[in-house]
Amino acid sequence: GESVGLHLPTLSVQEGDNSIINCAYSNSASDYFIWYKQESGKGPQFIIDIRSNMDKRQGQRVTVLLNKTVKHLSLQIAATQPGDSAVYFCAENFDAGNMLTFGGGTRLMVKP
Amino acid sequence: GAVVSQHPSRVICKSGTSVKIECRSLDFQATTMFWYRQFPKQSLMLMATSNEGSKATYEQGVEKDKFLINHASLTLSTLTVTSAHPEDSSFYICSASIPQGLGETQYFGPGTRLLVL
Repeated sequence: GESVGLHLPTLSVQEGDNSIINCAYSNSASDYFIWYKQESGKGPQFIIDIRSNMDKRQGQRVTVLLNKTVKHLSLQIAATQPGDSAVYFCAENFDAGNMLTFGGGTRLMVKP
Repeated sequence: GAVVSQHPSRVICKSGTSVKIECRSLDFQATTMFWYRQFPKQSLMLMATSNEGSKATYEQGVEKDKFLINHASLTLSTLTVTSAHPEDSSFYICSASIPQGLGETQYFGPGTRLLVL
């Protein structure tokens, strides 16, 4: 079936650099996307969301980009900090309800 | 953001016993809550959708008699793992859906780690 997937399972960046985490989705009917951050042993934490009628949305130090043409979603983190080290999941919603389908996750490791 | 709590955070039990996990929305009412299971280094897998006042909707492959869900109020959903076995050991996470911002956003609890001996 259709699913959300990620290109890179692990991303290692230097503290202070910018990070880009990518996500590919295959369901063209998806109209709502969310990025979550999950630290070890904790539940996922909402970071930022975007709808399909948008191509960019910015938050505090984070930006989500949506390219519907190639069904690609990315999360950009500016000036990455050690506290950003976690697993990041993208999730999509494509039904009339509010169910989410999660991607496989990318582990971000920030080197001091 | 909205706060969701879970209790207990960690539980160890013997094989064959039943374990109840509570999920509460602390500062909002949630007509819909979700239960996920997450194995180490894997993504979240939706188990069931819990609707207040009605029966839960289970995902394919999830035994409803094994994982009993009760959503008795707008702030509480419970998941009971009946006759737990070692293969049920996992990280169980609930979420509550709330219309916010651009859509129905799910806010997650801190998770419950279940270890069945």
